[in-house]
Amino acid sequence: KAGVTQTPRYLIKTRGQQVTLSCSPISGHRSVSWYQQTPGQGLQFLFEYFSETQRNKGNFPGRFSGRQFSNSRSEMNVSTLELGDSALYLCASSRHQGGVGNTEAFFGQGTRLTVV
Amino acid sequence: GQNIDQPTEMTATEGAIVQINCTYQTSGFNGLFWYQQHAGEAPTFLSYNVLDGLEEKGRFSSFLSRSKGYSYLLLKELQMKDSASYLCAVRGDSWGKFQFGAGTQVVVTP
Repeated sequence: KAGVTQTPRYLIKTRGQQVTLSCSPISGHRSVSWYQQTPGQGLQFLFEYFSETQRNKGNFPGRFSGRQFSNSRSEMNVSTLELGDSALYLCASSRHQGGVGNTEAFFGQGTRLTVV
Repeated sequence: GQNIDQPTEMTATEGAIVQINCTYQTSGFNGLFWYQQHAGEAPTFLSYNVLDGLEEKGRFSSFLSRSKGYSYLLLKELQMKDSASYLCAVRGDSWGKFQFGAGTQVVVTP
């Protein structure tokens, strides 16, 4: 069974540009969440999607947006890139949405974004 | 406010035991998770607690006290490959939303 796949793995962009990152969850998983990881702030929650609907959003500016498709694949977009957006962006998928269960989140390898 | 605290770094010898403590204050609680993350890699799931008590999984055990907002991860018979960052995470009131601690870097020495 394939794990969570994130593309691309590495990306270098210039300030002011925009970027789109992709995440394919584990087959059968319908919940996808995005996190930003930096040395200073650790893992910070960006968004959560389930059945193509955004269920939750973290404390990030409107330049950060996302969406989920009918096949559960998700994309996140960052517009007008800033140097501080340089980070590892991680996607996690889970099987359930609510209910009883200890369904952990499975993480992808991440996309390392460098803004210069 | 919402907070998850864990020590920054711990050092232990191969074969020893290390206990990583985590205290949390969050709105909503649907489980406390421990993840291991090696440098440059994705976090991988280690353990989960939703009820008070101890969960044992091989060399790793995790404990939870919901009334105290406290958990620990116990790593026994340390091996060199256990050198990694260990992340304490609380699932809040939404299934896919985890709040993470800053991580504890465990260094295992020969």
